[in-house]
Amino acid sequence: AQSVTQPDIHITVSEGASLELRCNYSYGATPYLFWYVQSPGQGLQLLLKYFSGDTLVQGIKGFEAEFKRSQSSFNLRKPSVHWSDAAEYFCAVGPYTGTASKLTFGTGTRLQVTL
Amino acid sequence: GAVVSQHPSRVICKSGTSVKIECRSLDFQATTMFWYRQFPKQSLMLMATSNEGSKATYEQGVEKDKFLINHASLTLSTLTVTSAHPEDSSFYICSARPLAEPYEQYFGPGTRLTVT
Repeated sequence: AQSVTQPDIHITVSEGASLELRCNYSYGATPYLFWYVQSPGQGLQLLLKYFSGDTLVQGIKGFEAEFKRSQSSFNLRKPSVHWSDAAEYFCAVGPYTGTASKLTFGTGTRLQVTL
Repeated sequence: GAVVSQHPSRVICKSGTSVKIECRSLDFQATTMFWYRQFPKQSLMLMATSNEGSKATYEQGVEKDKFLINHASLTLSTLTVTSAHPEDSSFYICSARPLAEPYEQYFGPGTRLTVT
């Protein structure tokens, strides 16, 4: 069965500092990996996704993620955090079957940004 | 483009009543829509996969008679919570898979259901 682990429930960083959110997955086949951001009371916004190719993926809002197959990880990074980045971040995995399928989400990491 | 809306955004209903939540793809056709549920401060859990013109596929543990899903058109799927109870209070989010982009799915803004 597929699963996603986000070991950090809550992270606090200062504005301007770098950020790394951890994500580890378990999946029996080639995974399709995603990072989403959710502001309070809102839906999900896709930050980036990865299936194949370059293992360093660029997304929106200055985020990037690196896929490391040997570590089963897909960590999200941002070199300089802005106060508006405070939100909940979810890593998700799904099967790549040629069509978008149901996703398994991690438990999320809540990011707090201090000024 | 690729906008998914949900209506209502918030709803409060009394215990024992039913409530319907709509999920619409505004600028694309979607043969498949997914319904997720999110408890406070928790992750999203897939409830069911809704396919246009056919019965929904429910995840294990989800009561299909309680959570009725109808996908009557290529732009609309509805989730009806029947005989609602306070434990059904949750944030319900749908996503839609475009007919023209079957490798993508776009999420709606969610519906907050509170059962009193």
